[in-house]
Amino acid sequence: RKEVEQDPGPFNVPEGATVAFNCTYSNSASQSFFWYRQDCRKEPKLLMSVYSSGNEDGRFTAQLNRASQYISLLIRDSKLSDSATYLCVVNKGNAGKSTFGDGTTLTVKP
Amino acid sequence: EAEVAQSPRYKITEKSQAVAFWCDPISGHATLYWYRQILGQGPELLVQFQDESVVDDSQLPKDRFSAERLKGVDSTLKIQPAELGDSAMYLCASSPQAGTSASEAFFGQGTRLTVV
Repeated sequence: RKEVEQDPGPFNVPEGATVAFNCTYSNSASQSFFWYRQDCRKEPKLLMSVYSSGNEDGRFTAQLNRASQYISLLIRDSKLSDSATYLCVVNKGNAGKSTFGDGTTLTVKP
Repeated sequence: EAEVAQSPRYKITEKSQAVAFWCDPISGHATLYWYRQILGQGPELLVQFQDESVVDDSQLPKDRFSAERLKGVDSTLKIQPAELGDSAMYLCASSPQAGTSASEAFFGQGTRLTVV
C-alpha cells in the first residue's frame, strides 16, 4: 500500500459544478498536509495548505480528518481553468520529508 | 518574481551514457530538493540538501546517481550510466529555511529526460 493514495480519476465535470477529491495517508504520525496543482507537463505549484481546523481560499476548501487519516479538497463553481492534476502532499515532520500522491486529474468542460 | 532555474529543459541521451542536470535555486534558499516524476505518478524525492550538506538521499539510486551542491547554492544531479527506466521529469525545488515542508518549496520547470 502506498503511503499517500489518491483516486487518479479522471473527474470530468461541467463548468459550475462542485467537485471533491480525497487523499488518504497511512502514517498516523504525519504532521502537515498540502494540495498542489500541476498543469500538463508543468511543474507542481502549491495550491493550499490543509489545517486541522480546515481552511478556505475562494472557491477552494481543504479539510483534514486525522482520525480517518484523510484530507479533502472541495472546488466550488468549477472553471475551465481548474482543469489540472491535483497532488496531495503529506509531510512527516520538521525534517521536511514530503510524500506526494500520484494525483487526481480534473477536467472541467464547457 | 524569483524562480528556480533548471537546465536543460529537455535531454535525449542513449542508454549507458552520462547525463547531468543543473539547478539554481531562488537566492537565499537554504534547502534544495531533487525530485523525479514518472508520467502519471507524483514526484518522488531523490535527494534533499540543507546548504551544502545532504540531509536525505535514501531514495537516490547511488550506484548510478550522484548529486552535489558544493557551495550551497546551485546543484548538479548526474546519472551514469543512464538506463531506459530513467526516462522521467527531473524537478528541482528550493525552500527558504531548514526543516520546511514542501509547502514552502518552489519548483523549477524541470528537465525532461528521454533515454533511448
